[in-house]
Amino acid sequence: DAKTTQPTSMDCAEGRAANLPCNHSTISGNEYVYWYRQIHSQGPQYIIHGLKNNETNEMASLIITEDRKSSTLILPHATLRDTAVYYCIVRVGNVYSGAGSYQLTFGKGTKLSVIP
Amino acid sequence: GAVVSQHPSRVICKSGTSVKIECRSLDFQATTMFWYRQFPKQSLMLMATSNEGSKATYEQGVEKDKFLINHASLTLSTLTVTSAHPEDSSFYICSAREDRREEKLFFGSGTQLSVL
Repeated sequence: DAKTTQPTSMDCAEGRAANLPCNHSTISGNEYVYWYRQIHSQGPQYIIHGLKNNETNEMASLIITEDRKSSTLILPHATLRDTAVYYCIVRVGNVYSGAGSYQLTFGKGTKLSVIP
Repeated sequence: GAVVSQHPSRVICKSGTSVKIECRSLDFQATTMFWYRQFPKQSLMLMATSNEGSKATYEQGVEKDKFLINHASLTLSTLTVTSAHPEDSSFYICSAREDRREEKLFFGSGTQLSVL
């Protein structure tokens, strides 16, 4: 799976949009971009994923550049409960690749602190 | 979303004893489950892939005789830390892939193991 680069930490004011960048310059054509977050002492939580189009759900938006070498996770109105480590992961999404394709390799992520 | 239940959430044991951690998919079938370990201030590290009805696949450096994994049904996988030592103290997290959905993984809430 392609390697990702994320800033170590970021701060965001409560109520403002949090924009978390991720570089994945070696991403392959069949690799998806996934975002998970981990609140302290809990298991990771799925946020969103995409291949090449921008995606939006109830939690966040994912903006993927046209060359797919980077992406940005946007939390539109950050709250204190969004304070967590955010992981950007790229992996093959081929459903026929076998069980091994579904494992996720976690990097160090970005520690987002939402400040009152 | 799909729910993965992990139990216990916290366990303290004496050195040399064995500890069993359960991971259940509550509302879906999971042919494949994954076990991760996370040391303080570090990222999640994959330990093994658990497939229902077959032997688990362990990552390099993970002792299969120490970390026994059983995946006897489509909704339950267990991790037994045998003859635990203080260096085994860690946060253990399971995840499961729902067979019929997209390539999302759902995570349990984790088990904090402290070996005295």
